[in-house]
Amino acid sequence: AQSVSQHNHHVILSEAASLELGCNYSYGGTVNLFWYVQYPGQHLQLLLKYFSGDPLVKGIKGFEAEFIKSKFSFNLRKPSVQWSDTAEYFCAVSGFSGGYQKVTFGTGTKLQVIP
Amino acid sequence: AAGVIQSPRHLIKEKRETATLKCYPIPRHDTVYWYQQGPGQDPQFLISFYEKMQSDKGSIPDRFSAQQFSDYHSELNMSSLELGDSALYFCASSVQGRGNTIYFGEGSWLTVV
Repeated sequence: AQSVSQHNHHVILSEAASLELGCNYSYGGTVNLFWYVQYPGQHLQLLLKYFSGDPLVKGIKGFEAEFIKSKFSFNLRKPSVQWSDTAEYFCAVSGFSGGYQKVTFGTGTKLQVIP
Repeated sequence: AAGVIQSPRHLIKEKRETATLKCYPIPRHDTVYWYQQGPGQDPQFLISFYEKMQSDKGSIPDRFSAQQFSDYHSELNMSSLELGDSALYFCASSVQGRGNTIYFGEGSWLTVV
């Protein structure tokens, strides 16, 4: 069975601070990893994804994430956050279960950026 | 680019009524997923379909049912609605297979009064 763990439930940062949100997963096969963002009152939007190749992936709005296979981690980073980054961030893993693609989400991290 | 379309966007129902939510996946996507997100909660997986067959089942109540039609759109039917069913219902779609991204619709807000 696959699972995702996000350790930080609520993060508060000042503008221009650096961000790192942790994500650890467990899955026995080849995984695809995603970070989604949900702005207040809106739907889930894809930030970035990792399928293969360069373990450092860059997404929209200056976000990046690094896949570290040995640590089963896919942490999200941004060098300098803005007030508009206030949102909830979900890490997700996609693998195959019973022959079908299955996506499992972490419990989310609420980020609050203070101006 | 075309996205996942959900309708209605907002719905208000009374307790014990029924509601139907519709989802139109991105063209050529063969897999549809339904998620429920209660107020202040994380999205909870309900059910998914691949090629019109149920492919996975999550925490979908027995009062709910869903299906995927020949044109790949999906409907989530909810009966005997309860106050606790008030939530944002997301539909997502993808192309089944490794390395495929799941894209989400904007959701349908259901309020049960």
